[in-house]
Amino acid sequence: GAVVSQHPSWVICKSGTSVKIECRSLDFQATTMFWYRQFPKQSLMLMATSNEGSKATYEQGVEKDKFLINHASLTLSTLTVTSAHPEDSSFYICSAAPLAGRSSYEQYFGPGTRLTVT
Amino acid sequence: AQKVTQAQTEISVVEKEDVTLDCVYETRDTTYYLFWYKQPPSGELVFLIRRNSFDEQNEISGRYSWNFQKSTSSFNFTITASQVVDSAVYFCALSESQFYFGTGTSLTVIP
Repeated sequence: GAVVSQHPSWVICKSGTSVKIECRSLDFQATTMFWYRQFPKQSLMLMATSNEGSKATYEQGVEKDKFLINHASLTLSTLTVTSAHPEDSSFYICSAAPLAGRSSYEQYFGPGTRLTVT
Repeated sequence: AQKVTQAQTEISVVEKEDVTLDCVYETRDTTYYLFWYKQPPSGELVFLIRRNSFDEQNEISGRYSWNFQKSTSSFNFTITASQVVDSAVYFCALSESQFYFGTGTSLTVIP
C-alpha cells in the first residue's frame, strides 16, 4: 500500500513552453501533498505544500506564478511549470501524506519526474 | 543553518567492508522524526527507516543498522558487509512540521 505515482517520469520541453506534472496517490487519500525539486548532486528542496481544495503554500524563493500547483482532489496534485527555462531543468518529486496532522512523519514519495528544458 | 548535516559527501568502500554514514541534526522540538532514504541512480527515494524522538533504541534490519543518540543529536546508519547494490545516495531527514533533508552521502561500493 501507500503508493504514489508521478506522470510523466521524464519530459523534455522547449524553452518558453509549459509542462504539467501529475502526482497521484494510488491507494490512499492524501490530505496534503508536497512538491520538491532536486538539482543534480544536490538535496531535495521543498517547493510547496498543497492541501486539497485550498491554495498551495510556497517556500521562500519559489515563484508561485511560475510553479502552479493544483490539488483538486484527495488523490491528485499537479505542478505546472509555466514558461519553462533551462534553469528549471531538474528532478521534481512529490510526496503525499495520508492523514491530516501526520504529514510530519508519514509521507510517501513518488518516483520523480525529470524535466529537461532545451 | 543546516538542520541536517551529512558531513560525508562521498564514500567509497570495497565490497564486503562495513560503512557508516553519519547524520547530525538540529532541532528545538521535543517531538520529531528522523529518517533515512536511499536514492539509487533511477532517482526514486527508497524509504529505509523512521525513528521518533522518544525511541532511542537502536535498530537492526538485515545488514542495516541505525544508531540514534539524542545526546549528540546523531542518527548514524551502518551497512555491514556492503554490496555493489548498496551504491546510491543516502539521505538523512528530519521531520518537525516539515521534512528537512540532509545534503546526502554518495556511497560507491567497489566490487
